[in-house]
Amino acid sequence: QQQVKQSPQSLIVQKGGISIINCAYENTAFDYFPWYQQFPGKGPALLIAIRPDVSEKKEGRFTISFNKSAKQFSLHIMDSQPGDSATYFCAARTPRGAGSYQLTFGKGTKLSVIP
Amino acid sequence: SAVISQKPSRDICQRGTSLTIQCQVDSQVTMMFWYRQQPGQSLTLIATANQGSEATYESGFVIDKFPISRPNLTFSTLTVSNMSPEDSSIYLCSVGGGGGETQYFGPGTRLLVL
Repeated sequence: QQQVKQSPQSLIVQKGGISIINCAYENTAFDYFPWYQQFPGKGPALLIAIRPDVSEKKEGRFTISFNKSAKQFSLHIMDSQPGDSATYFCAARTPRGAGSYQLTFGKGTKLSVIP
Repeated sequence: SAVISQKPSRDICQRGTSLTIQCQVDSQVTMMFWYRQQPGQSLTLIATANQGSEATYESGFVIDKFPISRPNLTFSTLTVSNMSPEDSSIYLCSVGGGGGETQYFGPGTRLLVL
C-alpha cells in the first residue's frame, strides 16, 4: 500500500506549547520520511527529514521521532510560536529504480498557534 | 536547495481552453515532478519529467490532458488542456535534491477555471 495516514487534521496549540503531528504507514519499501511546511499561497517547504535507521532527529525546535517496528513517525514542535501556524505534511519516499523515486504525502495537518 | 520559479503565479481561464505553466530552476537537475494540490487537500503527483525521456504519468493522469515538455536540465512546462472547472487547482513544480534526497517545491500556479 502507498498510503501515509496523518493525524490530526487540525490542531490548535497555545503559544509555548508542544505541537505533535502523527503519521503511520504500511509500505516497508519507504526509505526516507520528510516533513513539509506550507504557508497559505506558498509551495511546500522541506522542514526536516529522517531515514528509517534513525529513531530521532532534532533540528532546532523541530524533532522527528521514528518507530520502525510500529511503522509510525511524528513531528514535535517545541515552544510553538504563532509563526509556526501553517499546514504540515508528512511524506514517505519510494525508490523506483534508475535513481528515480516517488513521494507519497499525508493529507496534511493545519496547525494554529494562538497567543 | 534549488530555487524554483513558476509562471504564471495564478490565472483565471475559460473552460475548453489550455494553459501552459512554466517551471524554471536555478541549477541543473535530473528529475522534475509536477503535482496537483486541490484547495485544502494534499499533493498528488501528476508525472515525473526527466530530461531526454518521455514523462512518466501516474494513474489517473494522461498525456493528452497534461502534456509535459522537458527541453533541458533547468526547465519544464506542464500544459493543462481542454480545461474544465474540475481542473481548478494549484499546480506545483518540484525538483529532486542533490544525492536523491527528497524534493523541493516551487511556489505553485493557482488556476481557476470558469
